[in-house]
Amino acid sequence: QQPVQSPQAVILREGEDAVINCSSSKALYSVHWYRQKHGEAPVFLMILLKGGEQKGHEKISASFNEKKQQSSLYLTASQLSYSGTYFCGTLFNAGNNRKLIWGLGTSLAVNP
Amino acid sequence: GAGVSQSPSNKVTEKGKDVELRCDPISGHTALYWYRQSLGQGLEFLIYFQGNSAPDKSGLPSDRFSAERTGGSVSTLTIQRTQQEDSAVYLCASSLRGPGYEQYFGPGTRLTVT
Repeated sequence: QQPVQSPQAVILREGEDAVINCSSSKALYSVHWYRQKHGEAPVFLMILLKGGEQKGHEKISASFNEKKQQSSLYLTASQLSYSGTYFCGTLFNAGNNRKLIWGLGTSLAVNP
Repeated sequence: GAGVSQSPSNKVTEKGKDVELRCDPISGHTALYWYRQSLGQGLEFLIYFQGNSAPDKSGLPSDRFSAERTGGSVSTLTIQRTQQEDSAVYLCASSLRGPGYEQYFGPGTRLTVT
């Protein structure tokens, strides 16, 4: 049930774009994205609740394709501050007895 | 306002000793989570408290691990008879309601078992 994140790692030059994917083998209710900088705690980026919904955070946006059971995180014109590990967390239903299932993370390095 | 706090920030202990890790969630948050993160690895779920409901302990790796949350606020994670494989960063997070809400993470406790 653990979502699969791809790629595992990506290296960018400042200003380049990247896409990080989070795929599930099971139907999703919501997808949550977090970023963890080296030596720090994870920080919330966004939650996507509806199929096809896109949300944005600065120059970071995301989409959620219910049919494909996948979410994609788009990092546009990357900045040095975007470096870190990106985690997706997935919920499979809206009930009370549930918890986020986390992917293994995608390491992103943005170089000058 | 104050975020999630954890103490101690670092703990070095000898194999076989017991340790207690503390988490102070954001006031008013009903949900509290404990995670473990080994170096360069992902977030391993340990336990989840939601209001007055029975906690979800499904992630605790062995019966040496236990946690409690008193008065719906502060939580303590206890590891008995620590082993070297318990060395990791233990992260606590809280959210306003359940898992569908944004989780706010504490700075973590780095546990080293020698």
